[in-house]
Amino acid sequence: KAGVTQTPRYLIKTRGQQVTLSCSPISGHRSVSWYQQTPGQGLQFLFEYFSETQRNKGNFPGRFSGRQFSNSRSEMNVSTLELGDSALYLCASSQGQGGHQPQHFGDGTRLSIL
Amino acid sequence: DAKTTQPPSMDCAEGRAANLPCNHSTISGNEYVYWYRQIHSQGPQYIIHGLKNNETNEMASLIITEDRKSSTLILPHATLRDTAVYYCIADKANAGGTSYGKLTFGQGTILTVHP
Repeated sequence: KAGVTQTPRYLIKTRGQQVTLSCSPISGHRSVSWYQQTPGQGLQFLFEYFSETQRNKGNFPGRFSGRQFSNSRSEMNVSTLELGDSALYLCASSQGQGGHQPQHFGDGTRLSIL
Repeated sequence: DAKTTQPPSMDCAEGRAANLPCNHSTISGNEYVYWYRQIHSQGPQYIIHGLKNNETNEMASLIITEDRKSSTLILPHATLRDTAVYYCIADKANAGGTSYGKLTFGQGTILTVHP
């Protein structure tokens, strides 16, 4: 079974631009979560989607948004990029219901803001 | 989710067992203990999880104390490829509301396996 796939792996943007990151979950998984990882703050939860609906949201500004499509693929968007948005953005998928199942992570998109 | 406390770093000799402790003294009855690890430049990798019974899989064993206030992850025969940051997380999973899809990561334990 293929794992979680994130594209692109690396991205360089400048301040003020916007960016869209993509995540393809494991086949059959309906929940997708997004995380931001920085050296200073560690891994922080951004939001989670299940069946195209956002079920949970972390403490990030509205510039960070996401969506999920009917095939469970997900995208996250960051608008008006700031230098502090430089980070590794990780996506994780799970079945999303029916008890405890682990999340499976992709290898992330490394976003650098110049 | 309950807070977990782990030592910042540990060393282990290759071929020996690595025992990584985790304290979760405020864990609630519906929270499972999960372990993940993150090898440099990769996403976190799920290792194992449990509620109150000891668990074993092909990667590791998880020992949870009877009062559930602490646990130990055991890598029985550590290799150089086990060098990583190990995270212990107490998680309610899909219990509703703010628990959906959210894992709360701490700083973890940097395990270094030496030849």
